[in-house]
Amino acid sequence: EDKVVQSPLSLVVHEGDTVTLNCSYEVTNFRSLLWYKQEKKAPTFLFMLTSSGIEKKSGRLSSILDKKELSSILNITATQTGDSAIYLCAVVLNSGYALNFGKGTSLLVTP
Amino acid sequence: DTGVSQDPRHKITKRGQNVTFRCDPISEHNRLYWYRQTLGQGPEFLTYFQNEAQLEKSRLLSDRFSAERPKGSFSTLEIQRTEQGDSAMYLCASSGRRGAYEQYFGPGTRLTVT
Repeated sequence: EDKVVQSPLSLVVHEGDTVTLNCSYEVTNFRSLLWYKQEKKAPTFLFMLTSSGIEKKSGRLSSILDKKELSSILNITATQTGDSAIYLCAVVLNSGYALNFGKGTSLLVTP
Repeated sequence: DTGVSQDPRHKITKRGQNVTFRCDPISEHNRLYWYRQTLGQGPEFLTYFQNEAQLEKSRLLSDRFSAERPKGSFSTLEIQRTEQGDSAMYLCASSGRRGAYEQYFGPGTRLTVT
């Protein structure tokens, strides 16, 4: 059965720190891995990583896919209080287009 | 483009009642998904449509749940004979023909069953 495990489950850092969030997956036929940010509302799309695009960057956020290790990391540099959120990792289910999410990493950035 | 919208945003109902939620996807998106999210968990897949066809259902979708997308545009999710365990955030998402795996979520409907 497809599985997504995120670590750590929660993290508290000071503004300006750099954080690395981890996601490992087991999926029969890998298609894509996606990262979402969830504040007190619905998840918002951050990145999608595929076999042909294993690194993405947007501003202070970047993500890398390691297909050999079946994992991905999400890096946030120079964190700000507005980065406080739950970060969700998901893989496309083998059966089609639906997503299988991990439990998320809850990040709190303190001033 | 106004994004994915859902209605209502909150619903409180008594156990045993039926409830129906509506989702309007991004207009050019042909795929529409329903997820359920409880506290401390990531969203769990329920079902998805490609145009008007319901192509996949999770085993989480008991026979009390039914979803429709009659004209390939908006979708409804109905829960019959609600139970307290149905209390959750129900999220709708959509994706298009380009970037088919990139799903964009609506604000969700929070259901509380008393």
